[in-house]
Amino acid sequence: DAKTTQPPSMDCAEGRAANLPCNHSTISGNEYVYWYRQIHSQGPQYIIHGLKNNETNEMASLIITEDRKSSTLILPHATLRDTAVYYCIVRVAGRTGANSKLTFGKGITLSVRP
Amino acid sequence: DTAVSQTPKYLVTQMGNDKSIKCEQNLGHDTMYWYKQDSKKFLKIMFSYNNKELIINETVPNRFSPKSPDKAHLNLHINSLELGDSAVYFCASKLQSSYNEQFFGPGTRLTVL
Repeated sequence: DAKTTQPPSMDCAEGRAANLPCNHSTISGNEYVYWYRQIHSQGPQYIIHGLKNNETNEMASLIITEDRKSSTLILPHATLRDTAVYYCIVRVAGRTGANSKLTFGKGITLSVRP
Repeated sequence: DTAVSQTPKYLVTQMGNDKSIKCEQNLGHDTMYWYKQDSKKFLKIMFSYNNKELIINETVPNRFSPKSPDKAHLNLHINSLELGDSAVYFCASKLQSSYNEQFFGPGTRLTVL
């Protein structure tokens, strides 16, 4: 699996957009970008994934550069409850499923300040 | 209507004991996982099961034995507990046919004294 690089931490003001960057310069053509987050003392939570097109759901937007070597997760209106560790993971989609595992790195700690 | 549940939430025990952690999912998923998150917060996969069959075993000591009585349950039994086993253990599940959207349980914090 391609390796990802994320800054260790960032903060943003409540109500503002949080833009979380991720570098994955060795990504292969069949690898997807996944984002998960882990709020303190809870299990990780799936946020979004994408291949090459930008994606949006009720939680966030995922912007993937045209060369696919980096991406940005956008939380459009951050709240205090969005304070968490955010993991960017690159993985083959793996519709074979059961042997498709997620490899979590250190992630980026997002602190949302009042 | 909890999706992935684990019991117990906290487990404190002495070295050398044998303990089990239980996991149940009511999502109709056919693939389940165990992850370990150590004190440095690294989250690592241990096992995955699909339809009660072991698929992934990430060089975990054989003191750890997962058991899947049915698709909805994946239990983790640990023999001869060691200090280094202290961690938070997370269960997760997904549909084999889906992308990597795994649903995680709340975790079990194991402390070995």
